[in-house]
Amino acid sequence: QQQVKQSPQSLIVQKGGISIINCAYENTAFDYFPWYQQFPGKGPALLIAIRPDVSEKKEGRFTISFNKSAKQFSLHIMDSQPGDSATYFCAASPHKAAGNKLTFGGGTRVLVKP
Amino acid sequence: SAVISQKPSRDICQRGTSLTIQCQVDSQVTMMFWYRQQPGQSLTLIATANQGSEATYESGFVIDKFPISRPNLTFSTLTVSNMSPEDSSIYLCSVMPSGRNEQYFGPGTRLTVT
Repeated sequence: QQQVKQSPQSLIVQKGGISIINCAYENTAFDYFPWYQQFPGKGPALLIAIRPDVSEKKEGRFTISFNKSAKQFSLHIMDSQPGDSATYFCAASPHKAAGNKLTFGGGTRVLVKP
Repeated sequence: SAVISQKPSRDICQRGTSLTIQCQVDSQVTMMFWYRQQPGQSLTLIATANQGSEATYESGFVIDKFPISRPNLTFSTLTVSNMSPEDSSIYLCSVMPSGRNEQYFGPGTRLTVT
């Protein structure tokens, strides 16, 4: 059972445009939602994360929007640059007492065209 | 964040043999995790390795196939035993610094089994 569903699988955006990636989860015990960026041949790098007590978090050109009632969260990449071309994974984990195990979405391959 | 190294970075192995992957972190961490990422796919948790206790394996992964050691707070190993071509994947370790929610990933070990 896939507990975190991510869409789209791939995305092409022009330089300067906005990339939007969506994730939906089922497990109401999840309370930590990170996004990772992975370049080919590299390990995933933590990009930004959010807890369910806030609806939005912004770090530079990256923004997470969180909708607790809908059990959905999304990543917006503003002013997308060719260097943002990578695979992005959303993830979710329950609180520490449950072991902090991350469940990953399927990934979105983003290509930013110059 | 934490600086994580993995050895080897890649290897080509014959079926039936075993490979031990090392994960070293530059600071003491309580929780370490091992993931598998099959080509073009998302990350799947293999096991959680906490120092001083037996590793906890996820459904579908067993100790006889993926024995894990965690001798101290900065080091862990994952062995892929009796390998078959289906074990060809990227194996990643991650760490969670004490008192934090974030997980940081190593660069991965790309394993090809022929």
